[in-house]
Amino acid sequence: DSGVTQTPKHLITATGQRVTLRCSPRSGDLSVYWYQQSLDQGLQFLIQYYNGEERAKGNILERFSAQQFPDLHSELNLSSLELGDSALYFCASSVEAGLAGEATEQFFGPGTRLTVL
Amino acid sequence: AQKITQTQPGMFVQEKEAVTLDCTYDTSDQSYGLFWYKQPSSGEMIFLIYQGSYDEQNATEGRYSLNFQKARKSANLVISASQLGDSAMYFCAMREPYNTDKLIFGTGTRLQVFP
Repeated sequence: DSGVTQTPKHLITATGQRVTLRCSPRSGDLSVYWYQQSLDQGLQFLIQYYNGEERAKGNILERFSAQQFPDLHSELNLSSLELGDSALYFCASSVEAGLAGEATEQFFGPGTRLTVL
Repeated sequence: AQKITQTQPGMFVQEKEAVTLDCTYDTSDQSYGLFWYKQPSSGEMIFLIYQGSYDEQNATEGRYSLNFQKARKSANLVISASQLGDSAMYFCAMREPYNTDKLIFGTGTRLQVFP
């Protein structure tokens, strides 16, 4: 158990709908990262938050948005869903955002499997 | 741009034998971190081992060791004494060093351990 929790574990919805994925980082971790794992794209970084502020953005679609709340939990909002959005969405957390010359292990949650029908 | 390459889509190994999973990376940065994660069929991502670009010694964690060859830009994972429970997908990843811990992942290698 990594200490990172994600809800829900599974989500089945229809095209055009909107869903919210929730993540609670490990106690004490300030950074939250969202990754998408799909068969055709592999594991891709979406977005990072550090202590409530957006820190880095990857290949995140405009239909997707995220935020980190004062209690450090994070939500990933996916709207106008398409079939191609079906994927496993991971949240990860680490103690701090990386500094040059240092690396911080990221702890992954169990993921939310999203199926868009 | 940083890139991770895993050229082995699948590997087989007999129980109790050692196996090496290949990973090469491309970066122009002097400072970076390399990670290996295991993803069993249940889906979770399990951190295995980390190697920093300035580390002079190869990283080891129990049965896992990382064969780090900086000049060749390779970071191969060696699993000794394979167990049936080692059957999983294995991902090599690199951390972008400046201001973020964003991980860039390779495409993974599926390891199957047989009795």
